[in-house]
Amino acid sequence: GQQVMQIPQYQHVQEGEDFTTYCNSSTTLSNIQWYKQRPGGHPVFLIQLVKSGEVKKQKRLTFQFGEAKKNSSLHITATQTTDVGTYFCAPNFGNEKLTFGTGTRLTIIP
Amino acid sequence: DTAVSQTPKYLVTQMGNDKSIKCEQNLGHDTMYWYKQDSKKFLKIMFSYNNKELIINETVPNRFSPKSPDKAHLNLHINSLELGDSAVYFCASSLRAGVETQYFGPGTRLLVL
Repeated sequence: GQQVMQIPQYQHVQEGEDFTTYCNSSTTLSNIQWYKQRPGGHPVFLIQLVKSGEVKKQKRLTFQFGEAKKNSSLHITATQTTDVGTYFCAPNFGNEKLTFGTGTRLTIIP
Repeated sequence: DTAVSQTPKYLVTQMGNDKSIKCEQNLGHDTMYWYKQDSKKFLKIMFSYNNKELIINETVPNRFSPKSPDKAHLNLHINSLELGDSAVYFCASSLRAGVETQYFGPGTRLLVL
């Protein structure tokens, strides 16, 4: 079956520390998107990765797509309080829908 | 201008009632979606319409019935509400079906008592 596991489920970090969330699939993905949902808000698109081994950066955020296109990661350098929220990976298995991961809820300790 | 809007924002109702949630997008997108997010924040797709045609229908009780009068609107009607229906329901849209970026509405927080 098409399943995706996202870890960790929760992450508490001190402000200024780094943060990483991982998304792992048992099958090869066509592509993967990442979304961020602030507390009380709605998911907002961050990025899409398509190519094997692709790395994209957005300021302090670095997104990677594995060589085998089965896993992906989002790394935030030097977290800030504005980074608080839940980060979802949303892989596509080659059909017409996104399958959202379970999310990683990031809290920042000031 | 709000790209994807939903009404109502909050909905509190009794078990057994019937309720509707409305969604509109002004992005000119062809595809619209309904997602359910439970208390654990799991986000599950329920339905998707492409140009008013149903293309995704996940395992959802048939008490849930989507309707798309035109490609800018996707409504969700729920019959005989149950306690387990309490959740946040998000509408979303994308330019086309498939791997396009999805734009989410603000959500409708449904509480069934």
